[in-house]
Amino acid sequence: DAGVTQSPTHLIKTRGQHVTLRCSPISGHKSVSWYQQVLGQGPQFIFQYYEKEERGRGNFPDRFSARQFPNYSSELNVNALLLGDSALYLCASSFAGSGNTEAFFGQGTRLTVV
Amino acid sequence: AQSVTQLDSQVPVFEEAPVELRCNYSSSVSVYLFWYVQYPNQGLQLLLKYLSGSTLVESINGFEAEFNKSQTSFHLRKPSVHISDTAEYFCAVRGDSSASKIIFGSGTRLSIRP
Repeated sequence: DAGVTQSPTHLIKTRGQHVTLRCSPISGHKSVSWYQQVLGQGPQFIFQYYEKEERGRGNFPDRFSARQFPNYSSELNVNALLLGDSALYLCASSFAGSGNTEAFFGQGTRLTVV
Repeated sequence: AQSVTQLDSQVPVFEEAPVELRCNYSSSVSVYLFWYVQYPNQGLQLLLKYLSGSTLVESINGFEAEFNKSQTSFHLRKPSVHISDTAEYFCAVRGDSSASKIIFGSGTRLSIRP
């Protein structure tokens, strides 16, 4: 079975632009979460979706939005990009959203804002 | 709210020496504890987890961690490290609720010297 797949793997954007990152969870997993990992730091929680509904939101500005589709894949959108948005964006999938279910991470999308 | 503190940002050790990566957490509710490993330019891989039961948990590649509730710690140990263990290690907690985000520590970079 394929693991969590994220696309693209790398991209470069200019300040003020918009970006869409995509994530396909492991087959059968209904929960998708997004994390931002700035260089030298641990991942920070952005969003969690379960059964296509937002279940949690981290301390990120409204420029960040996400959604989950009927096939449980997910998109993370970031508007009006800032230099500080440069980071590795990680998607994690799990069967359910509860704490005792294992989360599997994708390889990430490395976003560079110039 | 939960938080995780990894006391060492970098740990250099010689090959075949023992190592301990320290992790302390704080939480007002029951939590599940995890160690993730991140190799260069890759996503996160689950190394081991404590959900319940025995407080000593082991991974397939020789790492172990012990949950100590009284000291709110979950230190990671390995009796003899290899060059291939060079990576960033993240301690993490997740609350016991139906929609629960993962809170990561800031990471410990383990560098192995031959």
